[in-house]
Amino acid sequence: NAGVTQTPKFRILKIGQSMTLQCTQDMNHNYMYWYRQDPGMGLKLIYYSVGAGITDKGEVPNGYNVSRSTTEDFPLRLELAAPSQTSVYFCASSYSETSETQYFGPGTRLLVL
Amino acid sequence: EDQVTQSPEALRLQEGESSSLNCSYTVSGLRGLFWYRQDPGKGPEFLFTLYSAGEEKEKERLKATLTKKESFLHITAPKPEDSATYLCAPCSGSARQLTFGSGTQLTVLP
Repeated sequence: NAGVTQTPKFRILKIGQSMTLQCTQDMNHNYMYWYRQDPGMGLKLIYYSVGAGITDKGEVPNGYNVSRSTTEDFPLRLELAAPSQTSVYFCASSYSETSETQYFGPGTRLLVL
Repeated sequence: EDQVTQSPEALRLQEGESSSLNCSYTVSGLRGLFWYRQDPGKGPEFLFTLYSAGEEKEKERLKATLTKKESFLHITAPKPEDSATYLCAPCSGSARQLTFGSGTQLTVLP
């Protein structure tokens, strides 16, 4: 199993540009999550999904959108990039609800200039 | 609001010098407390889950313990390969989400 994979590894965006961060898991997990990690801060939950077609907001959803059309994929969309979205983004998955172990991808480092 | 504080922020140890990392938390209805290890440029890697006060879990040189307000990660005779950032994350019953601490950056010198 590859586990949780994320692409790209690193991206530079200009203010106002859009992009999609890709996340795929091959563990047949129902639950998937997007976090952002800023220097010196804990991971903050952006969005999560409890299954295909079902998503919900986390702690810091503003400026982001998600969709979940399949069990495997959970892309994160940035519509109008802002410098405040400069961060490292992690996707994670778990078999069931949040109290279960979450498995993380390697992360996407995003720089907005 | 769920809160978690990890201390110290950074810790430098000599190889073989044992120590403990602290995770203080305030959550409503703890469902579990998770410890993760994060290497530079990588995603967090799961270490332990503790579910109730008094519970202990061990893995190689690491032992995690849990009280009603704190969790400790004890490192016995650490080696340089134990150098990493250690994250704790309590999961509350009401939020059903993990609240991550900012981590303790551990450096073990040979």
